[in-house]
Amino acid sequence: QKEVEQDPGPLSVPEGAIVSLNCTYSNSAFQYFMWYRQYSRKGPELLMYTYSSGNKEDGRFTAQVDKSSKYISLFIRDSQPSDSATYLCAMSDYGGATNKLIFGTGTLLAVQP
Amino acid sequence: KAGVTQTPRYLIKTRGQQVTLSCSPISGHRSVSWYQQTPGQGLQFLFEYFSETQRNKGNFPGRFSGRQFSNSRSEMNVSTLELGDSALYLCASSIGRDRESYEQYFGPGTRLTVT
Repeated sequence: QKEVEQDPGPLSVPEGAIVSLNCTYSNSAFQYFMWYRQYSRKGPELLMYTYSSGNKEDGRFTAQVDKSSKYISLFIRDSQPSDSATYLCAMSDYGGATNKLIFGTGTLLAVQP
Repeated sequence: KAGVTQTPRYLIKTRGQQVTLSCSPISGHRSVSWYQQTPGQGLQFLFEYFSETQRNKGNFPGRFSGRQFSNSRSEMNVSTLELGDSALYLCASSIGRDRESYEQYFGPGTRLTVT
């Protein structure tokens, strides 16, 4: 079983829809949670960074972390065709002062105009 | 502020050869991590350097090695290339000093093709 599970999709939504992307994890030591967006043939771009449980909002993006359920989510409001990309969740416990990230496999999102 | 840069962007090598990839982190960032991305395995951690010291290493064979210089620039080397080493190699940098500075920023990657 992988430490981080993410539905690979593809997920297709109409423009303006609310998108919900999710990851589950098994390692209760994870405390740092990130969402990255990756366009085709590009490097991942950091979207959201959250420490421990709770919500964080940045423009159209909201990240939620539920450590009791080992479940994290990214919501995209008013989705745009430019949001079409692969979304990767990543997490770490940063134990021993290391920056090792464990990634989900990524969800491919297509926003149809 | 300039982002993470990686050179070269594309490489084609033959089995058995070796390759060196380079990464320049964001100015002020002292931690550099390397990841391998393939369609089958996704993003996998290779190793991380902080202040010229390897802090952590992933589950890759010894053919994969790296180093970091005093200016935080990093290189990774793959010796005796195999077909399965074909991948996008990504470098990420962060300040890496405390909890509030663990955000990692990725470069565009080096796409390595082994024939």
